[in-house]
Amino acid sequence: EVQLVESGGGLVQPGGSLRLSCAASGFTFSTYGMNWVRQAPGKGLEWISYISGSGNTIYTADSLKGRFTTSRDNAKNSLYLQMNSLRDEDTALYYCVRDSWAPEYWGQGTLVTVSS
Amino acid sequence: QAGLTQPPSVSKDLGQTATLTCTGNNNNVGNQGAAWVQQHPGHPPKLLSNRGNSRPSGISERFSASTSGNTASLTITGLQPEDEADYYCSAWDSSLSGRVFGGGTKLTVL
Repeated sequence: EVQLVESGGGLVQPGGSLRLSCAASGFTFSTYGMNWVRQAPGKGLEWISYISGSGNTIYTADSLKGRFTTSRDNAKNSLYLQMNSLRDEDTALYYCVRDSWAPEYWGQGTLVTVSS
Repeated sequence: QAGLTQPPSVSKDLGQTATLTCTGNNNNVGNQGAAWVQQHPGHPPKLLSNRGNSRPSGISERFSASTSGNTASLTITGLQPEDEADYYCSAWDSSLSGRVFGGGTKLTVL
C-alpha cells in the first residue's frame, strides 16, 4: 500500500523558515517523480514543485522560486521542502504527492501557519 | 502560474448526470491532457482520472473523463450523495514547466 506521511509543519513567524518532510513507503520511491502541492484554508490547490525520481530535475512554481527548495533522499525514501522567508500567505496545508503523469497518491498533509 | 478554468459550482439532482468542464490552452490541456481529482471536506484529494482519461483501480465506472481540444470534461452518471465534493482538474504546462490546477468546482447533489 502506498503511504505518504508529511511532517514538519507548525507555527512560524513571518520571515522564518521551515523544513517539511515526506516519508514514503509501499513503492519503489526512486522510480517516481514527486510533487509538493499546498492548499490555503478554504481555497483551491496550488502546485509548488516537482522533482524527478533521480532528483536531477526539479521544477518550482515561478512565484515561489528563490524561497522554496525541493530535494529528496532516495536512500531514506524521503522528500523535503525547505521554505524560507515565510509570509502570511504561505499559510496552508502542504501535501506530498506521487506523480505518474498525474497527481496520483496524496498524503494527509501537514499544516503550516505563518503568523506573528 | 496561470491556471485552468473551471466553473465554481454545479448543482444536479440525485441520480442525474453531471458534466464538469476544465478549459486550458495548447500548452497544457490541449497538449498534455488533464487529470481529475476529487476532494471531500477535511480529506486529501483522490485521483479519479489520469491524463489519459483512464480510471485508477477502485474508481467507479460512473466517473468518465474526456478531452476535446483545450477542454477536458469529467462526467459523473447516476449521481449519489457521496459524489458531493470539490473537483479539480490538473495538467502539466509545457511552457511554464510546471503543473497547473483549475480553481475547482463544488458539486452539489440535490
